[in-house]
Amino acid sequence: DIQMTQSPSSLSASVGDRVTITCRASQSISDYLVWYQQKPGKAPKLLIYGASSLLSGVPSRFSGGGSGTDFTLTISGLQPEDFATYYCQQSYSSPQTFGQGTKVEIK
Amino acid sequence: EVLLVDSGGDLVQPGRSLRLSCVASGFTFDDHAMHWVRQAPGKGLEWVSGINWNGDKTDYADSVKGRFSISRDNAKTSLYLQMNSLRPEDTAFYYCAKAPAPLLYRSYFDSWGQGTLVTVSS
Repeated sequence: DIQMTQSPSSLSASVGDRVTITCRASQSISDYLVWYQQKPGKAPKLLIYGASSLLSGVPSRFSGGGSGTDFTLTISGLQPEDFATYYCQQSYSSPQTFGQGTKVEIK
Repeated sequence: EVLLVDSGGDLVQPGRSLRLSCVASGFTFDDHAMHWVRQAPGKGLEWVSGINWNGDKTDYADSVKGRFSISRDNAKTSLYLQMNSLRPEDTAFYYCAKAPAPLLYRSYFDSWGQGTLVTVSS
C-alpha cells in the first residue's frame, strides 16, 4: 500500500495568513492526489483533484501543487470558514489511502 | 444538486451483522462508481470498499475483505454495504461517496453522504 504522510499534524494561524500543508507519498503517484476539507461533525468535501485542479465553486485562495511524491495545499489569505482538518488522498492505486490529516486552528 | 443519504448504522455486538444503505439523487447514478469510506471517532479517513457503475467489479480494503460485501441497485439509485462478523475496530462513521467516473480505476470522491455511525460493542 502507498503511505501518505502529511505535515504538520496541526497548525495555528490567524485570519489572513498564508498556510501551506505538505503531503508526501511513499512512492511516485504522478498527479493522482486530491485534497479534502472536513469540519467537525460533517463529511469531507473535495477541494482539489489531479494535484492542482480546483473543484468548481472552491474559492481561489486554495491552491495545490506538486507531482511524483511531494505535494502542497496552500491557502492564501486564511478565512474564518477555513478552520478545519485537511486530508490528502492518493488515487493512483488501490487501496486509496489518506494522509493522517492536518488540523488548522485559530491562533 | 447531488444528495447522498446514508442510513443503517446502529449499536451491534461483536460477531453480528449489519447492512448500510445509501440513497442517491441529483445525478445519473449508473454513470458513477460508488464507495464506502469510514472514520473512527476522532480519527482519520479509511477507504473501505468500492463498486463500479454496473456492479460487476468490486474492491475491498484488506481490513474488511471476506467480511464486508458492497452492492448497488441502479434501478433504486442505492448503494449497500453488508457487514458481517463485525469487530470492535469496525466502529466508525461510514460515509457513502460518489466517484467522478464509472470505473474503479484511480477513484477519488467528489460527493459524500452525511455518514452513519456503526458501533460494535458488547
